[in-house]
Amino acid sequence: DVKVTQSSRYLVKRTGEKVFLECVQDMDHENMFWYRQDPGLGLRLIYFSYDVKMKEKGDIPEGYSVSREKKERFSLILESASTNQTSMYLCASSLGTAKNIQYFGAGTRLSVL
Amino acid sequence: TQLLEQSPQFLSIQEGENLTVYCNSSSVFSSLQWYRQEPGEGPVLLVTVVTGGEVKKLKRLTFQFGDARKDSSLHITAAQPGDTGLYLCKAAGNKLTFGGGTRVLVKP
Repeated sequence: DVKVTQSSRYLVKRTGEKVFLECVQDMDHENMFWYRQDPGLGLRLIYFSYDVKMKEKGDIPEGYSVSREKKERFSLILESASTNQTSMYLCASSLGTAKNIQYFGAGTRLSVL
Repeated sequence: TQLLEQSPQFLSIQEGENLTVYCNSSSVFSSLQWYRQEPGEGPVLLVTVVTGGEVKKLKRLTFQFGDARKDSSLHITAAQPGDTGLYLCKAAGNKLTFGGGTRVLVKP
């Protein structure tokens, strides 16, 4: 069964803290993605990676960075968390096919106080 | 302004009623997908439509891709409480753009 696992379901951090969100997939997928989800805005792409050590900016990369040292793991980093980064964060993975069917984790709800 | 506009944003209906959700854009897409997200979970793919004018059925759900491949609709017949969720359309391509979503509540 396909599985994308996000390390935390809920996180509470303080402004200025460095925050790591971890995502692991067990499907040997090439592509991995980080989105944030806010009411009425759908899912907005932050970063994606199509191979180990490769990364591409999405639509809203400001304030975030990513790391992909191993194929199965994709980390999202908030260098200095701010209150406007309070959101639901979703990780996804997909094969490198034209249809780009994505498999999502359950999400991490991050609150920055 | 979003590349994909979904309407309505929220829909509340009684069990047994029909509903339609729309996904519109000014851009042409090679394919379009519909996902459903239940509370506390990530989105799950329902269907991919590829050909202009294509109609796909998934039990009580009917998906249509516009002839010009700029829009799509999702119609649910005789909605059940289990259809409750957030319905998202997504355009295939490098940017992998999602619509804003339609939140559907089916009351028993």
